[in-house]
Amino acid sequence: AQKVTQAQTEISVVEKEDVTLDCVYETRDTTYYLFWYKQPPSGELVFLIRRNSFDEQNEISGRYSWNFQKSTSSFNFTITASQVVDSAVYFCALNDYKLSFGAGTTVTVRA
Amino acid sequence: GAVVSQHPSWVICKSGTSVKIECRSLDFQATTMFWYRQFPKQSLMLMATSNEGSKATYEQGVEKDKFLINHASLTLSTLTVTSAHPEDSSFYICSASEFRRSNEQFFGPGTRLTVL
Repeated sequence: AQKVTQAQTEISVVEKEDVTLDCVYETRDTTYYLFWYKQPPSGELVFLIRRNSFDEQNEISGRYSWNFQKSTSSFNFTITASQVVDSAVYFCALNDYKLSFGAGTTVTVRA
Repeated sequence: GAVVSQHPSWVICKSGTSVKIECRSLDFQATTMFWYRQFPKQSLMLMATSNEGSKATYEQGVEKDKFLINHASLTLSTLTVTSAHPEDSSFYICSASEFRRSNEQFFGPGTRLTVL
């Protein structure tokens, strides 16, 4: 069974639209860490955020925001006012005893 | 801080040859290093985990004789793809973590391997 599920394979939006990427995870551990990474066409993984299982506070960083809900095992990511430079593959990942990645969501922002 | 480099960034080789990829932690001591493989339009899959001075632990389905991993120092791990075949063509990414921040991995830029 997949530990991290990113239901959206591809999302295409027009610039300035908001984009929300869904992430649902599964673990039996009470202590774990959740991550979001961006992978642009160059291939290098760019770290976006880390959240531990005891910190359910939502976070905003510029145009990025994250909503962590333990009750639904979800850790969703929103890009506000998207830009062409946001076009990339975004991975959600769970680290309980090892790091497991979701399948990724390809975001295409059209000018 | 927490920079990881990989060399080479890309490599093309003939079928049957061996290729070595280096992963270095530039500004911290990497007690644990990880190797991932990513096929086109797919996610990252963990191949193996190595602790400095110990044998690597391979994930199920990864051939340890084909993918030789050496983690001889706290700043260097190498992955050698032996007798490479076209199906080994992939994007290989390493990551490293240090003892005090074991839940966080710092990723290298990746190495694109093409086997002809």
